[in-house]
This record gives sequence, C-alpha cells and structure tokens, in this order.
Amino acid sequence: QSALTQPPSASGSPGQSVTISCTGISSDSHDHVSWYQQHPGKAPKLIIYEVNKRPSGVPDRFSGSKSGSTASLTVSGLQAEDDSDYYCASYGGYFNWVFGGGTKLTVL
Amino acid sequence: EVQLVESGGGLVQPGGSLRLSCAASGFMFSSYPLNWVRQSPGKGLEWISHIRGSDVSPVYADSVRGRFTISRDNAKNSLYLQMDRLRAEDTGVYYCVRDHEFAFDHWGQGTLVTVSS
Repeated sequence: QSALTQPPSASGSPGQSVTISCTGISSDSHDHVSWYQQHPGKAPKLIIYEVNKRPSGVPDRFSGSKSGSTASLTVSGLQAEDDSDYYCASYGGYFNWVFGGGTKLTVL
Repeated sequence: EVQLVESGGGLVQPGGSLRLSCAASGFMFSSYPLNWVRQSPGKGLEWISHIRGSDVSPVYADSVRGRFTISRDNAKNSLYLQMDRLRAEDTGVYYCVRDHEFAFDHWGQGTLVTVSS
C-alpha cells in the first residue's frame, strides 16, 4: 500500500473547527484507521482509532470519520494546545501499516 | 503505567550495524504485539517492523526487509531491532510502539540513529 495523502497544512482560529483529510485508504484496512498528534520534539500520541473511537483521556473535540477511501479528522472548538502535527495511519493487512505524510495544524 | 524506553541509537558509518533495544514495563508484555516506527529528520512517520507477542512471523516494510531483524525476549520484557547494512536514508528517530486493536497506543520517547561517514 502506498503512503496516504494528507494536506501539508491546515489552520483555524480558536473556537473554530478544522477538518484534515487522509486519502488513499485501502479496502484491506477493514476500518483500522487511526490518527496521531505529535508536538515538536515529542513522541506521537494516539487520538483516534478504528476510524472514530477515542482513547481514554482524549477530549471529545477530536472526532473521526471515513467515507470510501478517505478518512477525516475534525478538531472542534480549536484551542491553542491543538497547534501540532497530525498523522493518519491505516492497517494494510497482514500486520503492516502505512502512514500519511502529516498535516501541520496552526491555531491562528 | 505503560512505559517503553528505547536505547542503542548513535552515529554509525554507512554499511555498519547497530542494535536498538526497548525496555517495557507496566503491562503484560508477552500479550501484546510490538512495532518499530521511524521518523526521518523533518519528515513523517514510517512503520518498519511488527512482531507478535509469541515472537513468530515478524513482518517488515520493503525499505528494511533483508537488512533489519526484529526480535523480542518476553522473559526480559524487551524488544530489539538489529540493523545491518545501514544507509544514509535510515537516519532518523526510532520509536518502539505497542499496538492494540490495530492502532499504535503507546510510544517510547525514541532513539536517534545517524548514518553518516
């Protein structure tokens, strides 16, 4: 499976909503799509799994969806701490995964 | 608390070898599959290898297959990555990552590997 495609950048003002897309998801993924937040110099953090599930402790401002071969991450009610890099990932079958190229979200 | 602590990174010449280790704690180590994910400087994430809890049938990305070997010692709660025939493009931060329900739910802090002459 080839790398997934994400827009390199996105932005929004505090309180607004922003949606980041992730295209090229194979049908072999069986909805095993996840999203990660990475602040500079830190390890990535899981924020969405199985397309739209949130791990414990992740604010419900973060939501995920999928339509066909495109998954989306929506951040509602933007806050300053949401300024970060975001990566999607998809299970490619037989225990291998592919990531998107990442999106830098700027909170204006 | 789940903890994953990588070690073993450093500077190595092209064609050389390096062995990374990951010490795990805070969970039933043998019950979980583990992975190595790397990040080149200023670039995105790349999954490179997976190993199941029972240490069978490891899987590799095309970019490292035949050069890297993943292994684990369940008695020592440790994961390893033996990297041979290293290339400049292998430079990056290497993360030890647990996977659960097909997502990477816990990450180590990473260890930096630099391949340069």
